[in-house]
Amino acid sequence: EVQLVESGGGLVQPGGSLKLSCEASGLPFSSYWMSWVRQAPGKGLEWVANIKKDGSEKYYVDSVKGRFIISRDNAKNSLYLQMNSLRAEDTAVYYCAREVANIVGAVYYYYMDVWGKGTTVTVSS
Amino acid sequence: DIQMTQSPSSLSASVGDGVTITCRASHSIRSFLNWFQQKPGKAPNLLIYAASTLQRGVPSRFSGSGSGTAFTLTINSLQPEDFATYYCQQSYTTPYTFGQGTKLEIK
Repeated sequence: EVQLVESGGGLVQPGGSLKLSCEASGLPFSSYWMSWVRQAPGKGLEWVANIKKDGSEKYYVDSVKGRFIISRDNAKNSLYLQMNSLRAEDTAVYYCAREVANIVGAVYYYYMDVWGKGTTVTVSS
Repeated sequence: DIQMTQSPSSLSASVGDGVTITCRASHSIRSFLNWFQQKPGKAPNLLIYAASTLQRGVPSRFSGSGSGTAFTLTINSLQPEDFATYYCQQSYTTPYTFGQGTKLEIK
């Protein structure tokens, strides 16, 4: 069974740092791009960042650029999100998700098909 | 960034009804459009990718259509387990963006 399990969430003061982890099992982790997606309390979904299979490409939403760093360790089947200079608006449940590229009519389409249960980050003094 | 706009924001319907949710993109995203269902306290669940391809295991009462900037999610013969929040998401370019969500409630 394919499974993603996030950890590392907690309460942190504004300006502080936190590192989230996502451990994968039941899938060839190094074969997939991976994403982080967050959801503030009572709000919608926001994609945060993703990383290529080998870690050579990384993309971020503007609101976290320069503060968050996505990384992975394929030997440990793990994805990470280092969060620095945290703000109250970073308070959210953070999900990791597997990205799949599937061919439909000769075109590769991308989607997030497996998600973890999420870990909660609260930024407050 | 590509902005995704869903309508309506909320919707009331009865078991057995059919409903349609609309999603519009601020720029053409061809067919790089995915639909998710989310229930309270749970992670999102992929329903449809590439605008109209049903994810494995998703009931056939769910269907998607559209391309370019206009898309729809249709649910036929609503079941009790379908009452949830639905999100569209574009995967045409990063940053990936989601619609604001449509909450489907029981009438």
